[in-house]
Amino acid sequence: EAGVAQSPRYKIIEKRQSVAFWCNPISGHATLYWYQQILGQGPKLLIQFQNNGVVDDSQLPKDRFSAERLKGVDSTLKIQPAKLEDSAVYLCASSSSSFGQGHYEQYFGPGTRLTVT
Amino acid sequence: QKEVEQDPGPLSVPEGAIVSLNCTYSNSAFQYFMWYRQYSRKGPELLMYTYSSGNKEDGRFTAQVDKSSKYISLFIRDSQPSDSATYLCAMSAPGNQGGKLIFGQGTELSVKP
Repeated sequence: EAGVAQSPRYKIIEKRQSVAFWCNPISGHATLYWYQQILGQGPKLLIQFQNNGVVDDSQLPKDRFSAERLKGVDSTLKIQPAKLEDSAVYLCASSSSSFGQGHYEQYFGPGTRLTVT
Repeated sequence: QKEVEQDPGPLSVPEGAIVSLNCTYSNSAFQYFMWYRQYSRKGPELLMYTYSSGNKEDGRFTAQVDKSSKYISLFIRDSQPSDSATYLCAMSAPGNQGGKLIFGQGTELSVKP
């Protein structure tokens, strides 16, 4: 079974530029998550999708971040314009559990390491 | 106060040592407790999960949850250099939380040969 795929693996941009990250979850997984992991910290949930609907985006800085999941499969996360404090690893994860169930085993991709200069 | 607190380390031990990793939390609604392992430049991978209180053992790894103290632990017996990684505790509440995981800061472990 293929894991969660993410691209690009690394990205360096200047502040105020825009950037997009792509995620392909494990086949059949209905739930998809985007996390931000700042160096030395644990991952922080940015947005959660159930199929192509948003379940939780309470911690997404909506003035600059946006995400979509078309057809309930692949997802993209965009930052526009980027700030220095956006430098982090952006992790995508997926889960086969449905909303309302108790346990959610999440499978993570390798992440995209973003550096904003 | 953070919802989940974890000592960031780093923790360095000799090969064969017993390692104890710990997290405390403040949200009594948490019912699912997980430990993830993250190697350098990789995504986290689920190591163990426990529902509510109690112990769970898997090979050299034992997870303990004490809900009365809001305290969870991961023990690694006979530690190996391949165990060198960052260990993240994570927790979730059932129902409306939708499986949202709250992670600790992570503890960086180094096992020296």
